Amino acid sequence: AQTVTQSQPEMSVQEAETVTLSCTYDTSESDYYLFWYKQPPSRQMILVIRQEAYKQQNATENRFSVNFQKAAKSFSLKISDSQLGDAAMYFCAYRGFYNNNDMRFGAGTRLTVKP
Amino acid sequence: EPEVTQTPSHQVTQMGQEVILRCVPISNHLYFYWYRQILGQKVEFLVSFYNNEISEKSEIFDDQFSVERPDGSNFTLKIRSTKLEDSAMYFCASSEGDRAHGYTFGSGTRLTVV
Repeated sequence: AQTVTQSQPEMSVQEAETVTLSCTYDTSESDYYLFWYKQPPSRQMILVIRQEAYKQQNATENRFSVNFQKAAKSFSLKISDSQLGDAAMYFCAYRGFYNNNDMRFGAGTRLTVKP
Repeated sequence: EPEVTQTPSHQVTQMGQEVILRCVPISNHLYFYWYRQILGQKVEFLVSFYNNEISEKSEIFDDQFSVERPDGSNFTLKIRSTKLEDSAMYFCASSEGDRAHGYTFGSGTRLTVV
């Protein structure tokens, strides 16, 4: 079974600084998709960024980028120029290509942004 | 921007009662999901639904739970004989079916069993 591990329960960053959230996963599949979701206090899960495993280029969405290391099964999220509105729980998620249509989530990292 | 709508936003029920959580997925989406999140804990997969039947379910999704798409738009999660440990945030999600896409989540229903 696929597992997703987020080893940092909590992280903090100064406003305007850069922070990296870690995620590792375990899978026997060669093709899959990885996602980062943000869950602000409003509780709704919002897709931040996604990465196709077959793509070597790291995905980027404005201030959010990933460092995808397929061999190491690592998928970290970098937030540049952190803003107060970035404060939230961040969940890393895995979705297989062949097996299982559901998405598996890590335990989450709570990010605090200090003014 | 299309959204997944969940009702109610908060439900309080007595232990042993049945509850139905409702979701309206995005209209052209083909796959539907229920997840739950016990306060402060990880998001856990419950069930996926495609073509009017369950495609996968987790070990959490036992006989106490059932899902239905009664009218082609609503997607419901029924919990029979609720227990205290069923208290959680329940999220509905839908996807187009293309695995490259993430899910679109609803804003959740907070279920409190007393």
